[in-house]
Amino acid sequence: DTAVSQTPKYLVTQMGNDKSIKCEQNLGHDTMYWYKQDSKKFLKIMFSYNNKELIINETVPNRFSPKSPDKAHLNLHINSLELGDSAVYFCASSSLGQGSTNEKLFFGSGTQLSVL
Amino acid sequence: DQQVKQNSPSLSVQEGRISILNCDYTNSMFDYFLWYKKYPAEGPTFLISISSIKDKNEDGRFTVFLNKSAKHLSLHIVPSQPGDSAVYFCAASLPFYGQNFVFGPGTRLSVLP
Repeated sequence: DTAVSQTPKYLVTQMGNDKSIKCEQNLGHDTMYWYKQDSKKFLKIMFSYNNKELIINETVPNRFSPKSPDKAHLNLHINSLELGDSAVYFCASSSLGQGSTNEKLFFGSGTQLSVL
Repeated sequence: DQQVKQNSPSLSVQEGRISILNCDYTNSMFDYFLWYKKYPAEGPTFLISISSIKDKNEDGRFTVFLNKSAKHLSLHIVPSQPGDSAVYFCAASLPFYGQNFVFGPGTRLSVLP
C-alpha cells in the first residue's frame, strides 16, 4: 500500500508527442506537488496544489498542465514534448495546510521521462 | 540562483566511522531545514529536520546541526552502515511558505564495508 504512487515509472516517447503522468496519494494529505529532477540532479518544484487549487506555479512552460480531479490525485499532462523535457518527475504530498506549520514531503518513486 | 548548496557531490566513508554531510544556504529567511535520503530508482524519503529555533536535532544515528550565523547545516551519521549508501538531499523552506521546499543538488554517500 504505497503512500504516494505515480505511473508510469518509465516513459519513452518521441518529440512532439503528448503524454501524461498520474499520481495518487493515500495519506489523506491536502497538498500535492510536482518536482522535476534535471540533469544536474536538482529537485525543482513545478506545481503545488492545495485542496485541488493551484498554489504554486513556477516558471514552467504552458505545455505542462497539472490537473487535480480530487485532493488525492494530481496528474501532469505534457503537450508537444521537447528533448529538454527529459528528466525524472516526482510527485509528492504533504499535510501542510492542515494545521501543521512545519511539514515534510512524501515522494513517489519518480517517472523517468526520455524524449527522443 | 542556487539558494541551497551541497558542495561535495560525493563522499566515501568506512563502515563504523562518522559520515558528515554539509549544506550551505544563502537565504537568511529560511527557517526550516530537512534532510532526505534517496536510493536509486526510488523517491527521496524524509530523514530528519530542524527548525531555525534549534541548533541540533537527533534521531538515533542521525544528528543535524544548524549554524544560522554561518548559514550552514550538517548531517552526522554515526556509526555509518553500508545501508546508508545513498544520495542525501538538503532542503530548506521559508516561513509561511513551507509549501515550497528548495533542494540542494545532493551528496552521494558511499559507506565501504
